[in-house]
Amino acid sequence: KAGVTQTPRYLIKTRGQQVTLSCSPISGHRSVSWYQQTPGQGLQFLFEYFSETQRNKGNFPGRFSGRQFSNSRSEMNVSTLELGDSALYLCASSLVGTGTYNSPLHFGNGTRLTVT
Amino acid sequence: AQTVTQSQPEMSVQEAETVTLSCTYDTSESDYYLFWYKQPPSRQMILVIRQEAYKQQNATENRFSVNFQKAAKSFSLKISDSQLGDAAMYFCAYRRKSWGKLQFGAGTQVVVTP
Repeated sequence: KAGVTQTPRYLIKTRGQQVTLSCSPISGHRSVSWYQQTPGQGLQFLFEYFSETQRNKGNFPGRFSGRQFSNSRSEMNVSTLELGDSALYLCASSLVGTGTYNSPLHFGNGTRLTVT
Repeated sequence: AQTVTQSQPEMSVQEAETVTLSCTYDTSESDYYLFWYKQPPSRQMILVIRQEAYKQQNATENRFSVNFQKAAKSFSLKISDSQLGDAAMYFCAYRRKSWGKLQFGAGTQVVVTP
């Protein structure tokens, strides 16, 4: 069974631009979560989607948005990029909830975003 | 608010030896989940072990075991017979049982020396 696939692996953008990151969950998984990882703030929850609906959202500005498609694939969009958005963005999928005991999170390899 | 604290930024261990990583958390919930994830240089977060708070028995997965002290809100990870492939950043994570996000600690870098 293929794991969680994130594309692209690396991305370099300029301040003010926007970016879209993609995540394909493990087949059969309906929940997709996004996390931002930086050296200063560590791992921070962005949002979770389940059956095309956003179920939970972290404490990030409205420039960060996402969506989930009917095939459970998810995209994350960041508009008006700032230098501080440089980070590793991790996507994770699970069968149902956000990392329960019986439905733990399975992570992808992440997308490394650099904003210059 | 729940917080997860990993007080050891880095731990070094020799091959075949044992290392213990500490994790404490703060919560007012009585039932929740705890996890240890491993992140090697490949960046992919890999689930190492998981524990349900209401289960008294400590979880074990091959060379990995936990010491779960609910009253002390402590969840340490023991890696036995350490191998070079165990070198990675290890994250402790908490999730309350009702629907919610996974909260991670700052991580502990494990260095394995031959």
